[in-house]
Amino acid sequence: NAGVTQTPKFRILKIGQSMTLQCTQDMNHNYMYWYRQDPGMGLKLIYYSVGAGITDKGEVPNGYNVSRSTTEDFPLRLELAAPSQTSVYFCASSLVGSGSQTQYFGPGTRLLVL
Amino acid sequence: KQEVTQIPAALSVPEGENLVLNCSFTDSAIYNLQWFRQDPGKGLTSLLLIQSSQREQTSGRLNASLDKSSGRSTLYIAASQPGDSATYLCAVYSGGGADGLTFGKGTHLIIQP
Repeated sequence: NAGVTQTPKFRILKIGQSMTLQCTQDMNHNYMYWYRQDPGMGLKLIYYSVGAGITDKGEVPNGYNVSRSTTEDFPLRLELAAPSQTSVYFCASSLVGSGSQTQYFGPGTRLLVL
Repeated sequence: KQEVTQIPAALSVPEGENLVLNCSFTDSAIYNLQWFRQDPGKGLTSLLLIQSSQREQTSGRLNASLDKSSGRSTLYIAASQPGDSATYLCAVYSGGGADGLTFGKGTHLIIQP
């Protein structure tokens, strides 16, 4: 199993551009998550999904959109990139919710908005 | 709002020493607490998960304890090795609204050969 994979690994965006961060898991997990990690800070939850077709906001959802059309994929879209969105983005998945099991993380996407 | 604090922010010790990393959280009503390891340029790897009903968990040279009533957890690393060098993150799940973890800022650990 590849686990959780994320593409791209690194990207530079200009202010106002848009992009989609891809996340795929091959563990047949129901729950998927997007976090961002700013330098020297802990991870903050952006969006999460409890299953295909169901998404919900986390702590810092503004400026982002998500969709979950399949169990495997959970893309994160930035519509109008801003410098404040410069961060490392991590996707994670778990079989059941956070109350019972750990989350498995992808390697991250480093995004720089200039 | 749940807040997680980790002390110290950075730690450098000689190889072979035993060490303790600390984590505290403001709301004791948690479901579980986890310790993760983060290597540069890589994702997070779960080390230990302690459910709220448990007092400690052990894996090899790692032992994590949980005192929910006081809002504290410690990660004990025995006989440290250079390969233990990484950032260690503490995270709690508090339930309620979003199904996600609340993370501390981490402890950056360096083990000197």
